[in-house]
Amino acid sequence: TQLLEQSPQFLSIQEGENLTVYCNSSSVFSSLQWYRQEPGEGPVLLVTVVTGGEVKKLKRLTFQFGDARKDSSLHITAAQPGDTGLYLCAGSNYGQNFVFGPGTRLSVLP
Amino acid sequence: DAGVIQSPRHEVTEMGQEVTLRCKPISGHNSLFWYRQTMMRGLELLIYFNNNVPIDDSGMPEDRFSAKMPNASFSTLKIQPSEPRDSAVYFCASSSGQGSVYEQYFGPGTRLTVT
Repeated sequence: TQLLEQSPQFLSIQEGENLTVYCNSSSVFSSLQWYRQEPGEGPVLLVTVVTGGEVKKLKRLTFQFGDARKDSSLHITAAQPGDTGLYLCAGSNYGQNFVFGPGTRLSVLP
Repeated sequence: DAGVIQSPRHEVTEMGQEVTLRCKPISGHNSLFWYRQTMMRGLELLIYFNNNVPIDDSGMPEDRFSAKMPNASFSTLKIQPSEPRDSAVYFCASSSGQGSVYEQYFGPGTRLTVT
């Protein structure tokens, strides 16, 4: 069974700080996705990473896929209150066996 | 595209009643997923379909839960009879892709409360 772990579980920071959250597995995935979920809404896809070592940037968010395609990180620069939410990572193998991590709940205080 | 559509958005029912949740996937997507989310257990995959055929229903909690996908544009998740422990947010997601890249897109969810 493929599992994804995320750390930290909870993170509360002040506006303007930087942060990194992690997504780890002992399994290899063909692709990994990051989602953000706000209260009362469904998860929204932020990015997909495919190639080992790949780095993608989305404004202040930087996503990295590990060289072995087993882990990933999300770095947020100068966090803003609008970044508050539940960040979920999900791995899949060629469209099969989607696996979600438990999520990191981020709170950015003004 | 309107995205994944789910109805109803909220459902309050009494224990023992039948509940039917509905989902319309994104047009052209060939996979559909039903999830349940609670604070305690996070996001759990219940069942997924590929080209309208159920592929993996190992996450369905028990026989009280059933799911159908009669065509490419509609799916239902039914709970009969419902129990208080079924209270959760139920999400439908659809997916398409090629090669190694498959991405899921979620609906807004149905918040189910069973009293």
